[in-house]
Amino acid sequence: GENVEQHPSTLSVQEGDSAVIKCTYSDSASNYFPWYKQELGKGPQLIIDIRSNVGEKKDQRIAVTLNKTAKHFSLHITETQPEDSAVYFCAASTRDGGTSYGKLTFGQGTILTVHP
Amino acid sequence: KAGVTQTPRYLIKTRGQQVTLSCSPISGHRSVSWYQQTPGQGLQFLFEYFSETQRNKGNFPGRFSGRQFSNSRSEMNVSTLELGDSALYLCASSRTGLNSPLHFGNGTRLTVT
Repeated sequence: GENVEQHPSTLSVQEGDSAVIKCTYSDSASNYFPWYKQELGKGPQLIIDIRSNVGEKKDQRIAVTLNKTAKHFSLHITETQPEDSAVYFCAASTRDGGTSYGKLTFGQGTILTVHP
Repeated sequence: KAGVTQTPRYLIKTRGQQVTLSCSPISGHRSVSWYQQTPGQGLQFLFEYFSETQRNKGNFPGRFSGRQFSNSRSEMNVSTLELGDSALYLCASSRTGLNSPLHFGNGTRLTVT
């Protein structure tokens, strides 16, 4: 089945710096890659997503890049702020058993801490 | 627009009991997925429902089951609870459930003692 590896597991930056989180996936059939932010006591919140026919997508301070050949994708956060501190998860659509309905395989998460 | 609503937020049960969790999806969303989140295993897919039909299922034992109603609201049930079932159970809704954004609720925290 699909396997998604996420690095680093923890990331500490100073306010205003950039943060980069990287993920690799194993299933070449995966074609949808969302990123989620999870704050304490809350469910994961979708922050950006990318489909396999696009190499890069940007939304204000957040960008995602996808390299289908190498099977990796990355989240870039610029001008980080303390409120960006949270756990970030990458995910990939998964077609185990022939269907990918509702099923995402998640990375293990990155704890991002932004110091004021 | 209201988000995904899960009830209850917290549950404490004893081994051997059963539990039912409820999820109300975003209005207009017909697909509901359930996930289990634990510190050791991370986020794992349980099952997905669309128009009252289970279309996809993860690798969980038969003690875990679910259903969806005609108004797209969903419930999941865990029977014969084990200590290892302690987790955050998350419900997510989407318009189609296929390569479309999943929007998660804040989950139900289940503790089995």
